[in-house]
Amino acid sequence: GEDVEQSLFLSVREGDSSVINCTYTDSSSTYLYWYKQEPGAGLQLLTYIFSNMDMKQDQRLTVLLNKKDKHLSLRIADTQTGDSAIYFCAESKNSGYSTLTFGKGTMLLVSP
Amino acid sequence: GAVVSQHPSRVICKSGTSVKIECRSLDFQATTMFWYRQFPKQSLMLMATSNEGSKATYEQGVEKDKFLINHASLTLSTLTVTSAHPEDSSFYICSASPGTDPNYGYTFGSGTRLTVV
Repeated sequence: GEDVEQSLFLSVREGDSSVINCTYTDSSSTYLYWYKQEPGAGLQLLTYIFSNMDMKQDQRLTVLLNKKDKHLSLRIADTQTGDSAIYFCAESKNSGYSTLTFGKGTMLLVSP
Repeated sequence: GAVVSQHPSRVICKSGTSVKIECRSLDFQATTMFWYRQFPKQSLMLMATSNEGSKATYEQGVEKDKFLINHASLTLSTLTVTSAHPEDSSFYICSASPGTDPNYGYTFGSGTRLTVV
């Protein structure tokens, strides 16, 4: 079956880089997403990567995909206290109409 | 664009009563919406896929008579928790997608915190 795994907790100091890792098992995953959830709120799409890409950069966010190892990472440069949240990795077969499979989420705590 | 509005954001109800949660796509039409449940410190569990004009598809283990889903229009899906019990207390989130453009991904509502007392 499909499975998405993430480490549960990451603590960094403000200004450092954060790297959140994710592994998945379904080789037919086509889209891989990173979502951010702040306390008591819904999920905010941060970025996505298509399975034929190795890297995608968007301002402070860099996504790396190792399709062979089924490993995905999200790097946040110059992490700020406002980045403290839970980050979910998710995968889907296609965009828009198939279901998402989520990891359990990584809680990122940024200290001043 | 691609905004999903969910109401109410928080509701407290008595055991045995029913609660309706609304999920609206504000600036796009959604033939498909998804309902999730999230337990504290856990991931999102897909409950059902709501299909406009037809019956919802429920995930294994989700009671369809307990969690009634109605998707009567292209912009509105509702989840009714019937005869709620304390174990139904949870955070419920809906999502929808405006299409296949992954830049929108799946847009999520802000969630509904249900507390059954």
